[in-house]
Amino acid sequence: DVKVTQSSRYLVKRTGEKVFLECVQDMDHENMFWYRQDPGLGLRLIYFSYDVKMKEKGDIPEGYSVSREKKERFSLILESASTNQTSMYLCASSSLPDTEAFFGQGTRLTVV
Amino acid sequence: DQQVKQNSPSLSVQEGRISILNCDYTNSMFDYFLWYKKYPAEGPTFLISISSIKDKNEDGRFTVFLNKSAKHLSLHIVPSQPGDSAVYFCAARGHSGGSNYKLTFGKGTLLTVNP
Repeated sequence: DVKVTQSSRYLVKRTGEKVFLECVQDMDHENMFWYRQDPGLGLRLIYFSYDVKMKEKGDIPEGYSVSREKKERFSLILESASTNQTSMYLCASSSLPDTEAFFGQGTRLTVV
Repeated sequence: DQQVKQNSPSLSVQEGRISILNCDYTNSMFDYFLWYKKYPAEGPTFLISISSIKDKNEDGRFTVFLNKSAKHLSLHIVPSQPGDSAVYFCAARGHSGGSNYKLTFGKGTLLTVNP
């Protein structure tokens, strides 16, 4: 079974903190994604990586950065957390273009 | 501009009846479509997909129909069960390499199946 593991289920951080969300997949997938889910807005793509050290901005990259130093790991960084970044963050990975993306269990981040 | 639209935020059906969830898209470069199911506090799980070369794909109680000319797809669940109650997301992907592998999601439809 494919496994995508996010480092935390729940996080509470203070405004202005630098926050790291970690994601690891065990299926040697080329593509990895970070989404956030908000009520009424669905899943919105933050950043995307289709190879090690390669990254592309998604629809809402402002206030975020990413790192992919190894194929299995994709990190999302909130440079200076703000309350409007309180959300559910979802990591996913995929392989060939015609296969589904597999999601992690999500990280519920609250910024206070 | 929303490229994948799910215009019904919610849908309620009786157990045993058919559930039909709809999705429209605007980008003609999309050629692979997926449906995901999501329970609260969990990540989405893949349900079923369809390539643009097909107009129907079936897996057990779940069938996805694609109408390319109308840029419309639908998910049929027959018969609906209370355990199907969840948020359903429609997603679409382009076919070229690189950034076209990303999935674009709709806003989701909350399905409630009443016993």
